[in-house]
Amino acid sequence: AQKITQTQPGMFVQEKEAVTLDCTYDTSDPSYGLFWYKQPSSGEMIFLIYQGSYDQQNATEGRYSLNFQKARKSANLVISASQLGDSAMYFCAIVGRRGAQKLVFGQGTRLTINP
Amino acid sequence: DAMVIQNPRYQVTQFGKPVTLSCSQTLNHNVMYWYQQKSSQAPKLLFHYYDKDFNNEADTPDNFQSRRPNTSFCFLDIRSPGLGDAAMYLCATSRDFSTTRSNEQYFGPGTRLTVT
Repeated sequence: AQKITQTQPGMFVQEKEAVTLDCTYDTSDPSYGLFWYKQPSSGEMIFLIYQGSYDQQNATEGRYSLNFQKARKSANLVISASQLGDSAMYFCAIVGRRGAQKLVFGQGTRLTINP
Repeated sequence: DAMVIQNPRYQVTQFGKPVTLSCSQTLNHNVMYWYQQKSSQAPKLLFHYYDKDFNNEADTPDNFQSRRPNTSFCFLDIRSPGLGDAAMYLCATSRDFSTTRSNEQYFGPGTRLTVT
């Protein structure tokens, strides 16, 4: 079974600062994928970034990067130069080979960007 | 644009009155999912279809049913809604099952269900 832990229920950051959202995971699968999603107040879940367990380099997508530390089972999301529109819930999720039909989500972190 | 569409965006139903939520996709994905999400919680998977193969999560109440008449459409039926079923219902699709990015799930905007 897979498990995601997001230890920050809420974070407040000043606009234009970088922010790191923590995610640790637990899995016994040697092959797995990690996803981050953003959920604004409108409710839609928006895909941000993906990291595969065998990827050698940390994933990047525009202002989003993933700090993947495999030995520590950590997959933190880094948002550079935060914007007011980044205020949302952020979910980390994992899919393992044995349970590849299903994403397992963490409890989420509510990020608030202050002007 | 290819997308996942959910109708209606807001649904009010009465306690015990059957309700159907709909989802359609233009991505031609094999897999369609239904999630229930309550306030400030993670989405909870109710069931999914891989093509026509239906898979129910073990803890999904019998009150929840689903239909997928074709690749594009999937419906969530709540036979007798209770007050505890008030939530956001999210439909999602993915191309396939895997640990790679092909398991990226594309979500619709959700239907917020209120039970009075």
